[in-house]
This record gives sequence, C-alpha cells and structure tokens, in this order.
Amino acid sequence: AQTVTQSQPEMSVQEAETVTLSCTYDTSESDYYLFWYKQPPSRQMILVIRQEAYKQQNATENRFSVNFQKAAKSFSLKISDSQLGDAAMYFCAYSPYNTDKLIFGTGTRLQVFP
Amino acid sequence: SAVISQKPSRDICQRGTSLTIQCQVDSQVTMMFWYRQQPGQSLTLIATANQGSEATYESGFVIDKFPISRPNLTFSTLTVSNMSPEDSSIYLCSVSKVAGGYEQYFGPGTRLTVT
Repeated sequence: AQTVTQSQPEMSVQEAETVTLSCTYDTSESDYYLFWYKQPPSRQMILVIRQEAYKQQNATENRFSVNFQKAAKSFSLKISDSQLGDAAMYFCAYSPYNTDKLIFGTGTRLQVFP
Repeated sequence: SAVISQKPSRDICQRGTSLTIQCQVDSQVTMMFWYRQQPGQSLTLIATANQGSEATYESGFVIDKFPISRPNLTFSTLTVSNMSPEDSSIYLCSVSKVAGGYEQYFGPGTRLTVT
C-alpha cells in the first residue's frame, strides 16, 4: 500500500525567509502524481503545487517550488520569501495513476513570524 | 475552478442517530470524493462517489456505515449511520473536474460532534 510521510509536525520561519517542508512516500508504481495542499486555519484546502512523476523537471508556482527526487521517493516543498499568509497546515499527497484519489501525509504546521 | 458548498456546516448529534451531509458543486465534475479529517489530523479517503452506481469504498469503510449517493454530476450525499463518538470528525467533499491527477477542489467541510 502506498504511504506518505511528513516527518516535521511543525516548522517556523521568519517573514521573507525561505523554508523547506519534507515529504517522502512509498510506492511500487512508476507513474503517479504528487501534490502539496495548504489548509489555512478554518479555511478550505487549496492546491499549492502539483508534480507528475514522469516529468523530471521540478514544478514551480511563483514562490513555491518542489525538489522531486523520484529514486529517493522524496518530494519537498520550498517556500521562498515567506509571507504571513503562508501560515497554514501543509499536506503532501500522493495520487496513483488513473484513480484520482489522494493519499495524504500527516501534515506540517507552518508558522510565519514577522 | 469549482465552488463547493456543504450542508450542514456543523452539527451535534446523539449516539445512535444518522446524519446526511450534502455536497453541491457549481459546475459538472468528473469525480467526487468524501474524506474524513479527525481533529488535528490528516485526511483519509472514505469513498469515491460514482454517478449512477454504487460508491467505491476504501479499506476500513463500509456502505452500511457510510452510504453515499451521487444522483448527478453536481451533487452527492454522505450519510454517517448509527453514530458513535468515534465518528466525531470533519467530513469533506472534494471534486475533480478532469480525470488524470489534476487539481482537486475541496468543500469547507462539515464538523460533526457525536455525544
């Protein structure tokens, strides 16, 4: 069975600094999708970034980028120039190819200090 | 994108009763899912709601406990049956507009407390 592990329950960063959130996963498949979702306090879950496993190039979305290491089954999220609005719970998620269902990690709570 | 609403937003229910949660999307979607998020924890997929056929349940979840309907491409319901305090959770609906590992949009959730 596929599993997703986030080893950092909590992280903190100062405004304008950079922070990296870790995620590892376990799968025997070669094709799949990986995601980072953000869940702000009392607000809806939203997609931060998405990576297709067959693409070697790391995905980027403005201040958010990933370091995808397929052989190591690692998928970390880097947030540059952190802002107060980045404070949230961040979930790493794995989706098997052709199913669209999401398998979530346990989450990392990110605090941003002024 | 997709705008998702859920009703009720929260409820307090007595042990042994049932609650039906509604999920309404503002446009037709391909896939609809139901997740459970226990307080302070991660999300666990309960089932995929299939239009016109029985839902596909994940290991550990059964139809008798969590019956799901999906009568059309914009609406689904999840019923939590014969509730116990262990069912206290946030229940979230999510949708995917395009199959193939694309973005899922999540509803605001229904916070259920069972006493």
